[in-house]
Amino acid sequence: QVQLQQWGAGLLKPSETLSLTCAFYGTSFSDYNWSWIRQSPGKGQEWVGEIHDRGGTKYNPSLKSRVTISLDTSKNQVSMKLTSVTAADTAVYYCARHGEGGWYFDSWGQGTLVTVSS
Amino acid sequence: QSALTQPASVSGSPGQSITISCTGTSSDIGAFDYVSWYQQHPGTAPQLIIYDVSNRPSGVSYRFSGSKSGNTASLTVSGLQPGDGADYHCCSYTSGGTYVFGTGTKVTVL
Repeated sequence: QVQLQQWGAGLLKPSETLSLTCAFYGTSFSDYNWSWIRQSPGKGQEWVGEIHDRGGTKYNPSLKSRVTISLDTSKNQVSMKLTSVTAADTAVYYCARHGEGGWYFDSWGQGTLVTVSS
Repeated sequence: QSALTQPASVSGSPGQSITISCTGTSSDIGAFDYVSWYQQHPGTAPQLIIYDVSNRPSGVSYRFSGSKSGNTASLTVSGLQPGDGADYHCCSYTSGGTYVFGTGTKVTVL
């Protein structure tokens, strides 16, 4: 059974860097893409970006200048960093595995609430 | 990239069928058959219920079905059950190689 477990700091001040890590179990990193998705309070979801099993990345154009997603194949972990956060970055952040077809998300982490407040 | 448009809420009585629409553009829903749907109960992570417009993952009830026409995708839930009360989100791959989600729909079982 595939499991994704994520962690990271939940309270940040404006201008700090958000850092989250997601460990995956019961699945290999190879042949899959991995995404980060966020959901602001009371709003819909927003795709943040993805990393392919060979390390290539694609980001949401609205966040591209501030986000970096990386993959540690030795630890079966995917990480995300978002710099210069503001209150608008307050959200629940999820890591997710793409399905074998590639264009959907078939397994999700439990979510991490990140609050940005001075 | 603007969010896909979904109705804010839909309701139905047990046993009835409901349909949730998801409207995009010719650059996302209209361009690919890569629409997916997710069910999310309060405080939990989303769960995939439909992928590639109309395919159900193993373990998902046959009562969930998906379709697409032009720039609009739809999710139908037949034989509505109390446990179907949740938020539903659509998602589409885009011509820019990114993903866009819908605004979300809250389903209430009366």
